[in-house]
Amino acid sequence: AQRVTQPEKLLSVFKGAPVELKCNYSYSGSPELFWYVQYSRQRLQLLLRHISRESIKGFTADLNKGETSFHLKKPFAQEEDSAMYYCALSVTGNQFYFGTGTSLTVIP
Amino acid sequence: DAGVTQSPTHLIKTRGQHVTLRCSPISGHKSVSWYQQVLGQGPQFIFQYYEKEERGRGNFPDRFSARQFPNYSSELNVNALLLGDSALYLCASSQDYRVGAKNIQYFGAGTRLSVL
Repeated sequence: AQRVTQPEKLLSVFKGAPVELKCNYSYSGSPELFWYVQYSRQRLQLLLRHISRESIKGFTADLNKGETSFHLKKPFAQEEDSAMYYCALSVTGNQFYFGTGTSLTVIP
Repeated sequence: DAGVTQSPTHLIKTRGQHVTLRCSPISGHKSVSWYQQVLGQGPQFIFQYYEKEERGRGNFPDRFSARQFPNYSSELNVNALLLGDSALYLCASSQDYRVGAKNIQYFGAGTRLSVL
């Protein structure tokens, strides 16, 4: 069965500190992985996807098939990064599985 | 562009009743997906429709059904409501459903369903 695990429900870091939000997945095929973000009082929105291999708002995520991980990283956290982050796995494009989310708080 | 719109925003029902939730996708998007988000959890995939056909189904009972109309809008129906169906129901649209650049999902604000 496909599953996405985000081990940290809450994460607090100081402004300017590095941040890493963990995501592990289980899927025997070729995964398509995403990070979605939900800022306060806003809709869930795509942050980045592994096939794009791009950096958005300073965030990057590398797919590690050996460790079945897709951790989200940013070298210097900003206060505006405070939000709920969800890791998601797409199976053959027509089924999506979300993790339980990590609430990130950046302390000024 | 108004984005994905869902109606109603809030709904209160009693156990055993039926509910219909509605979703209008972004103009040009042909795929609509439905999710259930219980408090404290991530969204759980219910259905995906593309070009009026069901393309994906999550692990939900047959009380849940959906359809997509020729204008690509969609309805989610839930019969015989249970207390456990209380949740935020999210709709997401995308240009396509297949793996690639066009399956990025854009979410609506959701419908909050309370079952008493």
